Amino acid sequence: SQKIEQNSEALNIQEGKTATLTCNYTNYSPAYLQWYRQDPGRGPVFLLLIRENEKEKRKERLKVTFDTTLKQSLFHITASQPADSATYLCALVRQAGTALIFGKGTTLSVSS
Amino acid sequence: DAGVIQSPRHEVTEMGQEVTLRCKPISGHDSLFWYRQTMMRGLELLIYFNNNVPIDDSGMPEDRFSAKMPNASFSTLKIQPSEPRDSAVYFCASSFVGWSTDTQYFGPGTRLTVL
Repeated sequence: SQKIEQNSEALNIQEGKTATLTCNYTNYSPAYLQWYRQDPGRGPVFLLLIRENEKEKRKERLKVTFDTTLKQSLFHITASQPADSATYLCALVRQAGTALIFGKGTTLSVSS
Repeated sequence: DAGVIQSPRHEVTEMGQEVTLRCKPISGHDSLFWYRQTMMRGLELLIYFNNNVPIDDSGMPEDRFSAKMPNASFSTLKIQPSEPRDSAVYFCASSFVGWSTDTQYFGPGTRLTVL
């Protein structure tokens, strides 16, 4: 069965630095991969999607890369701020119309 | 749009009691998902509906769990009888499969505590 691993449960960085979160998957390559943000007591919120034929996607201070050879996606937050502190989940889907499979998430803490 | 609506937000019940969680998806969305989130197991898919029809219920833990979607604007997840190990946050999400992104919109969740 498909497995997703996010590199660590927690990541602590200083304000202004770049946060890099890792998502590794096994078995088949997904059609696309998504990143979500979850704040305490709330549901996940979609951030970015990257398709299997895309290497990189950007949105404001966020950047996602997708390496199908390494079976890995990296999620970067540049110029991090305390407001970026949250849990970030990666999720993949094998093909459109099928369910997402979520990783357990990485909790990012940005200190000022 | 109000987003995905779930009720109740918190539920505390005793072991053996029946629990019903409710969800109203975003209008126009044709897919609905029920998830359970715990610290140990993360976010797990329980069941997935498309056009009100259950497509994948392989994540439903056992016969004590059942889900229905009688129409496009309402779904329930029922646990009968409830057990302490069912304590978790239950999320409902909806999406429009016709989009190429399948982005899911999550509700605020129901925190269930079974004593």
